[in-house]
Amino acid sequence: DSGVTQTPKHLITATGQRVTLRCSPRSGDLSVYWYQQSLDQGLQFLIQYYNGEERAKGNILERFSAQQFPDLHSELNLSSLELGDSALYFCASSVTGGRFNEQFFGPGTRLTVL
Amino acid sequence: AQSVTQLDSHVSVSEGTPVLLRCNYSSSYSPSLFWYVQHPNKGLQLLLKYTSAATLVKGINGFEAEFKKSETSFHLTKPSAHMSDAAEYFCVVSDRDYKLSFGAGTTVTVRA
Repeated sequence: DSGVTQTPKHLITATGQRVTLRCSPRSGDLSVYWYQQSLDQGLQFLIQYYNGEERAKGNILERFSAQQFPDLHSELNLSSLELGDSALYFCASSVTGGRFNEQFFGPGTRLTVL
Repeated sequence: AQSVTQLDSHVSVSEGTPVLLRCNYSSSYSPSLFWYVQHPNKGLQLLLKYTSAATLVKGINGFEAEFKKSETSFHLTKPSAHMSDAAEYFCVVSDRDYKLSFGAGTTVTVRA
């Protein structure tokens, strides 16, 4: 158990809908990362937050947004969902967010868009 | 820009024999390099990391990796495979912009 929690575990929804994925980092970790894992694209970095502020952005679509709250939990919002958004979404956390820091991964949220 | 190439998409070994997973990277900066493992239906777990100290890095569960700058490689090895090593392995590079770039992954199968 990494100490990173993600809810829900599974999510099934329809095209055009909006969903919110939630992540609680390990106690003491200030940085949160979001990743998307799909069969065709592999593991892709989406976005990183550090202590409430956006630090780095990867291949995140404009339909997706995220934020980190004062209690350091984070939410990833996915809107106008398409079939291709079906994937496993991972959250990870690290102590400071530096490039030497180990990232601890949550168990993931499996999103299925029908 | 940084990128990672895992040279084998699938590796099959017999239990008790060595495992070699190959990884080449490109980076315009001094990279940090990691190997992560993902067991079925689980999140990723760090095996080991290289951060410009010793070039031979020891990790958990008997794994180690050697950083070779001249070859831009960071291959992962284990002298004796165990059934529990069956999983997917990702080579990862981190550049100065904090982003992690993942390789496509290598699936390891261990035969009894």
